[in-house]
Order: sequence, then structure tokens, then C-alpha cells
Amino acid sequence: AQSVTQPDIHITVSEGASLELRCNYSYGATPYLFWYVQSPGQGLQLLLKYFSGDTLVQGIKGFEAEFKRSQSSFNLRKPSVHWSDAAEYFCAVGAGGFKTIFGAGTRLFVKA
Amino acid sequence: DGGITQSPKYLFRKEGQNVTLSCEQNLNHDAMYWYRQDPGQGLRLIYYSQIVNDFQKGDIAEGYSVSREKKESFPLTVTSAQKNPTAFYLCASSRLGTGVNEQFFGPGTRLTVL
Repeated sequence: AQSVTQPDIHITVSEGASLELRCNYSYGATPYLFWYVQSPGQGLQLLLKYFSGDTLVQGIKGFEAEFKRSQSSFNLRKPSVHWSDAAEYFCAVGAGGFKTIFGAGTRLFVKA
Repeated sequence: DGGITQSPKYLFRKEGQNVTLSCEQNLNHDAMYWYRQDPGQGLRLIYYSQIVNDFQKGDIAEGYSVSREKKESFPLTVTSAQKNPTAFYLCASSRLGTGVNEQFFGPGTRLTVL
């Protein structure tokens, strides 16, 4: 069965430090992969997506993610975190048809 | 601007009452979805619809009902049969096509049962 695992429930980084959020997926075919961000009390916004081609994808707000098929991973990265990046981040995999399976989320805290 | 609207933002309900959450989109998307979000559990799919007058149950449909009479609208009714309805509810939409398309989300409705 398809699944998404985000191993870290929450992460704290200092402003200006680099960030990596982990995501592992389980899917039998070539996956459609997404990262979304959610500010408190708000809906989700798409950061980036991977369907095929270059395994390093660029997104909005300076985020990027790398698809590694051998590790079944799609980790999200940002070289320098800003206080406004504090939010919850969801990794998701397209599960065929029109369904998307979401991970449980990683909450990012940014300290000054 | 195109987008998805949900209303109300906050909703309070007494036990035993049915309530309906509104979701409207002007993105001309064919597919629409309802998710429930609880702390630490991510998003769980309640119902989805690909075309007007057709919808399918998701993973946690019990105690919920939907309708899709118009392409733009996909209201969700939380019935009294839903045992633990207090949650944050998110509506989303997407295009149809090959593969899986990104979903666009509304701002959500927080339902509290008193």
C-alpha cells in the first residue's frame, strides 16, 4: 500500500541556518511527489512537485527537494531559513487516480 | 483572483445536530476533495468528486455526506452519526488529466462540537 513517512514530528533551527526535512514514501510505480506548507489555521500551499525528469526540483520561497529513487526519499531543503518559514510541512505522494496521500507533517520552529 | 473559499471559518455545533460546511471554487477544476485534519495525523480523505453528480468515499466517509450539483460547489455535511467531529476541515480542488495533479486548498473550517 502507498504511504508517506515524515520521521520528524518537529524540528527547530536557528534563523539563517540550513534546513532539511525528511520524507520517505512507499509506492510501486514512478511516484508523483509534492511538498506543501501550512501556516497555523490556514490551508495548504504547494511548495514544489516532482513528476519526472531532473531529480532536483526547485520550488517557491527558496525551497528545493531531491528525489532519490534508491532511497525512496524526497527530502526538502532550504539553504538559509527565515523566521517566516515557521510552519507545518507536508510531504505527499500521488497514489494513482486522483488520490493523494499525505504524511503526518513536520512542524518547523525557527529561533532567533 | 481564482481560488477556493470555505465558510464559515469557525463553526460550533451541539451534539446531535447536522452541520453543512461550504466549499466553492472558481478555478474551473473538475475534481474536488474534502479532508479532515487532526493534530499529528496529517490529512485524511473524506470524500472526493471528479464530475458533477458523482462522488466517491474516501478513507473516513462514515458520518459524512456530500453533494456535487454544480461544478463550483462541493458542500460537506457532518451528521450526528459522526462520533468525533471536532476537527479542522479542508476542501481542495484539482484539474483532471493524466497522472496526479497538484491540489489547491481552501483556508479551512474549524468545527467544534460542544
